[in-house]
Amino acid sequence: ETGVTQSPTHLIKTRGQQVTLRCSSQSGHNTVSWYQQALGQGPQFIFQYYREEENGRGNFPPRFSGLQFPNYSSELNVNALELDDSALYLCASSLDVSGSGGYEQYFGPGTRLTVT
Amino acid sequence: AQTVTQSQPEMSVQEAETVTLSCTYDTSENNYYLFWYKQPPSRQMILVIRQEAYKQQNATENRFSVNFQKAAKSFSLKISDSQLGDTAMYFCATHWNYMRFGAGTRLTVKP
Repeated sequence: ETGVTQSPTHLIKTRGQQVTLRCSSQSGHNTVSWYQQALGQGPQFIFQYYREEENGRGNFPPRFSGLQFPNYSSELNVNALELDDSALYLCASSLDVSGSGGYEQYFGPGTRLTVT
Repeated sequence: AQTVTQSQPEMSVQEAETVTLSCTYDTSENNYYLFWYKQPPSRQMILVIRQEAYKQQNATENRFSVNFQKAAKSFSLKISDSQLGDTAMYFCATHWNYMRFGAGTRLTVKP
């Protein structure tokens, strides 16, 4: 069974640029969530996709967007990067039988984004 | 809105001893889920234990157990027979619609 993978591991971008982060869910999982984890803090929920549809969003501006593909891999896109976007970005997948959540989430190792 | 508070930024324990990590939360919901996740220095988060709020019985997973007090909105984690491999950041989280995490407790197990 393949776990959750993320790419790239590290990324350095310049303020104002755009970035795409990728996540491959664990086999058979239909839900993916994305989190931003600033240094020394807990993860903050960005959004969640269930069967390719966004079904939850945290307090993040529209320049944070995402996609979930039929094979349940996922992307997080961030436009107009700001210095405060520097963080570890985590994705987590789960098998949600009803779309209501509450199931164990399996996390990837994260992508460390640095904005200069 | 749900918030999660972990009041102990750092804790340490001697190997083989028992330690309890605190977590309180605020919610107006009746049905939700509670989790403890562990993030070792290699940073990949892994589930320690999960509790369904409608269940009175406290969840247990080997050396890990919780004390769930729904009325008090408290969800503490007890680690028995601490091992060096338990050294990590521990995050308490609640789930209703989506997951909300506390700021974490850094636990160090000393030999």
